[in-house]
Amino acid sequence: EIVLTQSPGTLSLSPGERATLSCRASQSVSSNYLAWYQQKPGQAPRLLIYGASSRATGIPDRFSGSGSGTDFTLTISRLEPEDFAVYYCQQYGSSPRTFGQGTKVEIK
Amino acid sequence: QLQMQESGPGLVKPSETLSLTCTVSGGSIGSGSSYWGWIRQPPGKGLEWIGSIYYSGSTYYNPSLKSRVTISGDTSKNQFSLKLSSVTAADTAVYYCARVSGPMDYWGQGTLVTVSS
Repeated sequence: EIVLTQSPGTLSLSPGERATLSCRASQSVSSNYLAWYQQKPGQAPRLLIYGASSRATGIPDRFSGSGSGTDFTLTISRLEPEDFAVYYCQQYGSSPRTFGQGTKVEIK
Repeated sequence: QLQMQESGPGLVKPSETLSLTCTVSGGSIGSGSSYWGWIRQPPGKGLEWIGSIYYSGSTYYNPSLKSRVTISGDTSKNQFSLKLSSVTAADTAVYYCARVSGPMDYWGQGTLVTVSS
């Protein structure tokens, strides 16, 4: 089973700042099948990024994903008020599909 | 626009079987282009993949739950279902259904299932 470790656990930033979230895998993620999700309180997760760097339909271009192998990054170029949420990475290259523990982006 | 809705009891007694159904609209689970899956999230915690089903009936389960999980589909009703047996308090969670087209791109709103006597 691939273990995904996200860092930091919490990121305290102000609107307009840049957010950089990390996701590290315990072994290489097959075909870079790595996704990022955003979850707000009381809501289902929303797919942001798939294939490590492809934005899902309707996702603003301030969200970008990068990385390969075992190290992946989600970057939010300029935080908007609606971006404060919890972010999860997930690998779907091997079974069982696994999630990271999440990074909370909170308002500073 | 694909929509998904979970339904089922919100309270289950310990040792009993949790049963949930996901109804899909705006798309067909029998189309063969996607898997259909279940994910859960204990209160205040992270996400856990439970398993997935393909239109052919092939299933894939998380090994940590495999002995207790059954996922089945009914293409005539455009629904798929989850059964989790011998539940304990540790199975208390919000249960989500999702379309699995590689990543999970469409999600239901989730339903809270509490295991308690």
